[in-house]
Amino acid sequence: EVVMTQSPATLSVSPGERATLSCRASQSIASFSAWYQQKPGQAPRLLIYRTSTRATGIPARFSGSGSGTEFTLTISSLQSEDFAVYYCQQYNFWPLTFGGGTKVEIK
Amino acid sequence: EVQLVESGGRLVQPGGSLRLSCAASGFTFSTYAMSWVRQAPGTGLEWVSVFSGSDAGTYYADSVKGRFTISRDNSKNTLYLQMNSLSAEDTAVYYCAKGLGATAWYFDLWGRGTLVTVSS
Repeated sequence: EVVMTQSPATLSVSPGERATLSCRASQSIASFSAWYQQKPGQAPRLLIYRTSTRATGIPARFSGSGSGTEFTLTISSLQSEDFAVYYCQQYNFWPLTFGGGTKVEIK
Repeated sequence: EVQLVESGGRLVQPGGSLRLSCAASGFTFSTYAMSWVRQAPGTGLEWVSVFSGSDAGTYYADSVKGRFTISRDNSKNTLYLQMNSLSAEDTAVYYCAKGLGATAWYFDLWGRGTLVTVSS
C-alpha cells in the first residue's frame, strides 16, 4: 500500500502568516492527491484534488502543488477559521490511503 | 438540501455484526461513487470501502476485506455497510462520503458520522 507521510505533525503559525504543509508518498502517485481540512467534532472537508484544483467554494488562499511523491498545501495568509487538522490522500492505487495529518495551531 | 446522514452505529460485542446506512439527498445518488471512511478516537482518517457510481465496482481496505460488505440501493438513495466479525480495532466514527464523480476516488460531501463501539 502507498504510505502517505505528512510533516510536520504540528505547525504553529500566527494569523496572517503563510503555512506550508508537506505530504510525501512512498511511491509515485502522479498527480492523484487530495487535501482535506477537519475541525474538531466535524467531518472532513475537501480542499484540493488532482494536486492543485480547488474544490467548490474553497478560498484562493489555499493552494496545492507537487507531483510524483512530493506534495504541498499552502495557506497564503492564515485566518482564524483555518486552524484545524489537514490530511492528504492518494487515489492512484488501491487501497486509498490518507496521511496521518498536520495540526495547524495558533502560535 | 445536499446531505448525507449516517445511522446504525451503536455498542456491539466483539464478534458481532452491524449494518450502517447512509441516506443521501439533494443530488443524483446513482451517478456518484460512494465511500465509507472511518476515524478511530483521537486518530486520523482510514478509508474503508467504496462503491463505484458507474460499473458497480467495489473496493475494500485490507483491514476489512472479507468481513465488511458495501452495497447501495439507488432506488432508496441509500448506501450500506454490512460489518461482520467486529473487533475492538473497528471502533470508530464511520463517515459516509460522496465522490466527485462516478469513478472519482476523492470526496466532496461527507456526513456527520455514526459511532461504532466494539466492546464487551
